[in-house]
Amino acid sequence: AQKVTQAQTEISVVEKEDVTLDCVYETRDTTYYLFWYKQPPSGELVFLIRRNSFDEQNEISGRYSWNFQKSTSSFNFTITASQVVDSAVYFCALSGSSGSARQLTFGSGTQLTVLP
Amino acid sequence: GAGVSQSPSNKVTEKGKDVELRCDPISGHTALYWYRQSLGQGLEFLIYFQGNSAPDKSGLPSDRFSAERTGGSVSTLTIQRTQQEDSAVYLCASSPDSNRYTFGSGTRLTVV
Repeated sequence: AQKVTQAQTEISVVEKEDVTLDCVYETRDTTYYLFWYKQPPSGELVFLIRRNSFDEQNEISGRYSWNFQKSTSSFNFTITASQVVDSAVYFCALSGSSGSARQLTFGSGTQLTVLP
Repeated sequence: GAGVSQSPSNKVTEKGKDVELRCDPISGHTALYWYRQSLGQGLEFLIYFQGNSAPDKSGLPSDRFSAERTGGSVSTLTIQRTQQEDSAVYLCASSPDSNRYTFGSGTRLTVV
């Protein structure tokens, strides 16, 4: 079975602060994919990033960066200089490579509120 | 089409009635998934179709829930004898390779 844990239920920051959203995963597969999605108040799921298990390089995209560490089974997401428009629920997700692990398993989400 | 299309976008039904939710995946995507998101909750996996293989139904919460995918394309999720706890947003996603997922906008189901 695979599992994704987002221990932070809610985070509130003031605009321009940096914020890190934590994600810890469990899987028996050696090949797997990790994802982050954003769900703004409008409800649609917005894809942010996909990372495969063989690529541990950190990634930066504008104000967003991701830190993948297999040793700790973590895939954390940092927003630098947060903005009010970043307010949303953020989901970390995992898909494996075999059998039922091929479904996308989501964490419970972190509600991020960025205050002006 | 350009994206995953779900219909209806909103559905209000009386307790005990059956409902059908439709998902039109992106053309050529072999994998199709249904998820449920209850108010303030995460996404709960329901069912997964991959090509002509038998679907993975391991997430369906009860035998009142069923889904089919005709011709490897359109999928219908059916909920029989709806209950109030079935109220949620039902999301469909499709993927060309089980590792890149595009989600629809969802169907908001309200059982009254």
